[in-house]
Amino acid sequence: GAGVSQTPSNKVTEKGKYVELRCDPISGHTALYWYRQSLGQGPEFLIYFQGTGAADDSGLPNDRFFAVRPEGSVSTLKIQRTERGDSAVYLCASSSSGGNSPLHFGNGTRLTVT
Amino acid sequence: GEDVEQSLFLSVREGDSSVINCTYTDSSSTYLYWYKQEPGAGLQLLTYIFSNMDMKQDQRLTVLLNKKDKHLSLRIADTQTGDSAIYFCAEIQLNTDKLIFGTGTRLQVFP
Repeated sequence: GAGVSQTPSNKVTEKGKYVELRCDPISGHTALYWYRQSLGQGPEFLIYFQGTGAADDSGLPNDRFFAVRPEGSVSTLKIQRTERGDSAVYLCASSSSGGNSPLHFGNGTRLTVT
Repeated sequence: GEDVEQSLFLSVREGDSSVINCTYTDSSSTYLYWYKQEPGAGLQLLTYIFSNMDMKQDQRLTVLLNKKDKHLSLRIADTQTGDSAIYFCAEIQLNTDKLIFGTGTRLQVFP
């Protein structure tokens, strides 16, 4: 399809395990964002890529969280030593150039840490 | 701080108008957005307004911006049951490319 694609749609993992969440942005979009949404809350910014580089990673909560975008297209959000508090919906968005271009969101990955 | 504030809940009768309000934080914000989120779904961009405008209309949607008071509103005319969802306002702050979201307003439309 033409939208932002996120996989998996649901992920259940045990506390302490490692997970990877994938985002496939809209073709041609140079900017890619990761957000986290907890129940009853608005999305919370995690990290923003412009091309291959992380332009702003100030929202990553700690060093267990890491994201890459090696070829400037697909991005992977990696979470080490997962904790129950990491349970949330992780949303990816892309925009044509970042800045003032509207963000288009995927349907998210619901992560549950048991 | 970075708090974008919205009332939590709004209930309207089908066919009436809905008005969802938002107070944002950064007077230098260039664009302000409204997103809609249905249960279990991602965020759908509804409309946005540039900060040098005070009104934008798009079919049933009207956005009003009061820069002096940092107040943004979304009016939905002839509200339908399919409009039931959570509505988020969001701002792009001038010196970052981060989109900062409000807490969301849950709109419930009853027959």
